[in-house]
Amino acid sequence: GEDVEQSLFLSVREGDSSVINCTYTDSSSTYLYWYKQEPGAGLQLLTYIFSNMDMKQDQRLTVLLNKKDKHLSLRIADTQTGDSAIYFCAESFSGGSYIPTFGRGTSLIVHP
Amino acid sequence: NAGVMQNPRHLVRRRGQEARLRCSPMKGHSHVYWYRQLPEEGLKFMVYLQKENIIDESGMPKERFSAEFPKEGPSILRIQQVVRGDSAAYFCASSRPRGAMGSTDTQYFGPGTRLTVL
Repeated sequence: GEDVEQSLFLSVREGDSSVINCTYTDSSSTYLYWYKQEPGAGLQLLTYIFSNMDMKQDQRLTVLLNKKDKHLSLRIADTQTGDSAIYFCAESFSGGSYIPTFGRGTSLIVHP
Repeated sequence: NAGVMQNPRHLVRRRGQEARLRCSPMKGHSHVYWYRQLPEEGLKFMVYLQKENIIDESGMPKERFSAEFPKEGPSILRIQQVVRGDSAAYFCASSRPRGAMGSTDTQYFGPGTRLTVL
């Protein structure tokens, strides 16, 4: 199966919180990333977390890492229509091949 | 500080022609990575280069595809004798050298080149 898995779609109402989940298989992952891709654009790095951290918060974004379960989540508070995009989870291991492995992306649809 | 630049943004080629995609990394970045994104799929790693050196090309198709990152100028991804299946978005990313102060190996992406093969 895939090394990094994400659900493909998430639909939320404007103003609600969005939670995008990701699981990975490589227990030696050092860095875990969230990227955002708007239609027709490249990937924009949103945030990243080191594997020795449990949580990282940056304004409306909260990243939670459960290393035991190899589960990463991205919470977007007060979701806006401008948050509609594809969100990619990625992991890399700095001690070896540090080419990040990407999930297939979660399409977040925000409706009024 | 300009971000990663890619050109052209859109490229149309007929079957059998050559496609050349260019990528200029961010200032201070000497590592370049190429990825391919097929419709409704995630990013697939193709090749990782440093100046004048291919570090990892495990994701590159064995034929028709090549990449270079010369001492001067942008990195080039070349696809010879394109076929319809090559139609995709090709993204370039760059990062700092490993071990550089504050380096996280974090990759910063360009806007991509969308290749359409007729």
